[in-house]
Amino acid sequence: DAMVIQNPRYQVTQFGKPVTLSCSQTLNHNVMYWYQQKSSQAPKLLFHYYDKDFNNEADTPDNFQSRRPNTSFCFLDIRSPGLGDAAMYLCATSRAGGEEQYFGPGTRLTVT
Amino acid sequence: SQQGEEDPQALSIQEGENATMNCSYKTSINNLQWYRQNSGRGLVHLILIRSNEREKHSGRLRVTLDTSKKSSSLLITASRAADTASYFCATEGNFGNEKLTFGTGTRLTIIP
Repeated sequence: DAMVIQNPRYQVTQFGKPVTLSCSQTLNHNVMYWYQQKSSQAPKLLFHYYDKDFNNEADTPDNFQSRRPNTSFCFLDIRSPGLGDAAMYLCATSRAGGEEQYFGPGTRLTVT
Repeated sequence: SQQGEEDPQALSIQEGENATMNCSYKTSINNLQWYRQNSGRGLVHLILIRSNEREKHSGRLRVTLDTSKKSSSLLITASRAADTASYFCATEGNFGNEKLTFGTGTRLTIIP
C-alpha cells in the first residue's frame, strides 16, 4: 500500500546531541511537510518542500534544518536539541496542487 | 497567529449519540479540512470542503461551512467507541502555497 513512513517511531537523544529523523513516501507526491506537535496542541508547520524548493516558516528556529535528496525521502535535522524540542514530529505529503495531506505515524522525540 | 480555534476542547458522549464539534478561523480560505488523530499517531484526513460549498457528507460524517461567519462544524452520527480520538480542523489559505493551518483540536471520547 502507498504510504508515508517515518523512522524511527521513538527517538531519545541527549541535550545538544544532533539527531536526524527520516521520512519516506511511496505516494510519489511533490510536496513534503514537517510538523512539530507538542502534547495536546495543534501540529505546527516547520517547513515544506515543493519538489526541491524549500519553504521555511518564519518562526522555525535555525536549529531545525531539512534535506530532501529525492522525491521519496525527506530528513529533519535538529542540530542541537534542547529540552523544549521534545515533541512528536510528523511528516506529511500532498500532490502538487492537491490539498489533502497524508501523514506518517510520527516520531516521538525525547531529549534527556 | 493560529488560524483555527475549535470548540469544545473536549467532548464525552455515550456510544450511539451524535457528536458535534465546531471550528472558527480568521482569514479567507480556499478550503477547510477535518483530520482525526488517534492517541500517539499521525493524522488521518476525513473530509475536505471548499469555500464555495456549504455542506458535505461522507459516511457518518457531515461537515458544514459558513464563510460569512468563518466557521465550520463536523457532525459524527451514531458514534462508536472507535471514534474516540482528537479531531482537528485545518484551513488552506487562498494563496496557493500548499500550506495548512491547524486548529486547536477537540478531544472526543465515546463512552461504551
